[in-house]
This record gives sequence, structure tokens and C-alpha cells, in this order.
Amino acid sequence: SQQGEEDPQALSIQEGENATMNCSYKTSINNLQWYRQNSGRGLVHLILIRSNEREKHSGRLRVTLDTSKKSSSLLITASRAADTASYFCATDASYGKLTFGQGTILTVHP
Amino acid sequence: DTGVSQNPRHKITKRGQNVTFRCDPISEHNRLYWYRQTLGQGPEFLTYFQNEAQLEKSRLLSDRFSAERPKGSFSTLEIQRTEQGDSAMYLCASRPESTDTQYFGPGTRLTVL
Repeated sequence: SQQGEEDPQALSIQEGENATMNCSYKTSINNLQWYRQNSGRGLVHLILIRSNEREKHSGRLRVTLDTSKKSSSLLITASRAADTASYFCATDASYGKLTFGQGTILTVHP
Repeated sequence: DTGVSQNPRHKITKRGQNVTFRCDPISEHNRLYWYRQTLGQGPEFLTYFQNEAQLEKSRLLSDRFSAERPKGSFSTLEIQRTEQGDSAMYLCASRPESTDTQYFGPGTRLTVL
């Protein structure tokens, strides 16, 4: 079963705008990871944040984690048309068994 | 390309037939995972290997499903007596001992007619 919810389910923005996606989960975790999936393809790892971290940056990506609220957010700044994809959060509670959310479909219009 | 390969990329089969998928992980990765993804959903965990040992199987993995990882290298996932509900993308991922990041293959899309 899915770990939790992602919000929004779909997001449509213009190139250059920022995109924010949220993820909630239910159980204690070791880390939380964000992945991107282009239509019909495999997943690409974007960023990992550990349970003792609150914020992490990687290029245009910023992820936050609030373990008290069991939630995370992914911010993509200055979005590009190439960022169009589905984005999934995944929680790792033990030995790398990932539990994924249902994903957010991001569309960036040129 | 993450370095994890899966074959075949697509498989169409008739209900009741057996199918086998192969995953070749990155060579130094001792941990290997199988996930299943249906349309519009996130991937769901199926099973996990550390080297050649299968350490956990999801309840999703019915008796018709079996996975192996001989010699701790490539892995195979076999589905016997396929059903239409088995239609999905089957994803393989691997990672080394030293990191929590998983590297996913491109997946095998199964269609059961």
C-alpha cells in the first residue's frame, strides 16, 4: 500500500516559475527521497534527506523535512520545460525498502 | 542511463502463460530490489535481495511470483499463470552497501491479454 499522500496530484506552471510539491507519510523513517519519472520510463533519483536533517539543497532543488508533522516538500526553482515529469516521494523505514507516494504530475509550459 | 538494465523492455503475453524478467544491476551493488508500478500509481515494493539472499517478500508477491538472484549478480522475476491484474511496469533497482540511494532500471512493461 502507499505510504501517504502527495499534494497536489497535478501542477501546471509556466517556465521560470517555481514548483512546490508536498508529501505526507505515516510511519517513522530513516530517510526520505524524491524521484522523477518521465512518461513510461524508470525513476531517477533527485535528492535524499535523512530523518535528522531539516533542509537540503541540490542545484535548483530544495527539500524540507518535518518529522513532527511527517511531511516533506520539494521546491524546484526557475522551472524549465524539461522538468515536466511525475515526481514521487519515497520513504525508507528499513534496509532500503522504499514506500512511494502516488506522485505529482508536473507540467511546465514553455 | 543509471547503469541498471532490464530485459525485455516490453512483454505481451496471454493469460495463463509464464513470463520471466531479468535485471542486471550495477556490478558492485550488493542490494537489489523489485517494485511493481501500475498506471497512475507510485511503485510498490515486491522483494529485496542482499547478495544472493532474498530477505523480504511483500504480501503482493503471491505464490505465482518467484524471484532469484543466483551468485548475487543478476536477478530474475518469474510470474507463473499470468493474470490480467499482473499487467504493470516491473522495476528493478540496486544500491551499494555504502549509500541509501537506489538506482532504477528502465523497467519491463508487462501486458497480459
